[in-house]
Amino acid sequence: AQKVTQAQTEISVVEKEDVTLDCVYETRDTTYYLFWYKQPPSGELVFLIRRNSFDEQNEISGRYSWNFQKSTSSFNFTITASQVVDSAVYFCALINAGNNRKLIWGLGTSLAVNP
Amino acid sequence: GAGVSQSPSNKVTEKGKDVELRCDPISGHTALYWYRQSLGQGLEFLIYFQGNSAPDKSGLPSDRFSAERTGGSVSTLTIQRTQQEDSAVYLCASSLSRGSGANVLTFGAGSRLTVL
Repeated sequence: AQKVTQAQTEISVVEKEDVTLDCVYETRDTTYYLFWYKQPPSGELVFLIRRNSFDEQNEISGRYSWNFQKSTSSFNFTITASQVVDSAVYFCALINAGNNRKLIWGLGTSLAVNP
Repeated sequence: GAGVSQSPSNKVTEKGKDVELRCDPISGHTALYWYRQSLGQGLEFLIYFQGNSAPDKSGLPSDRFSAERTGGSVSTLTIQRTQQEDSAVYLCASSLSRGSGANVLTFGAGSRLTVL
């Protein structure tokens, strides 16, 4: 079975705090892709990152970083020095290679960054 | 166009009426998806179009829902005899076709449907 679990439904932090959003996935396939998308209040989902199952290198993009660990089937997302503009719902998703049709989505984590 | 365009952005209708939601994908994107997002919920897959292939309709919740894609571009999602539980945001996304499954989806801003 394929499944993506984002255990944190809502997180509230104060600006400049670091925050980590958890994502745990299940799949039987050995080749797959993981994604993070951001959905700000405007509603349009914005792509943040794609990672394939053979690349476990952590990635950093500005204040954003991702920690992919196959041993724990996790693909966690950390925002450093959070800002109010980071307030959004963040979705983690999984797709198996060769299956272009259905991303398996987590239920999302709603992040509120307060000034 | 530069992005995925959806219309209308908001639609309020009465129970039992039919509605049509439109999606104009990014030019050159052969794959098109419809998702439904209910309040506080994740994304529910509805239907997938890929080029000239038969669409994957496995996510459509009932036979009141249908979708078509004309000329491999614009898509219309039709909901007949709307019910209150159809109230949601309907999201369209498009992507380049890649056999590896590594598609990055570009989403539209969605069409918010409210059925009274």
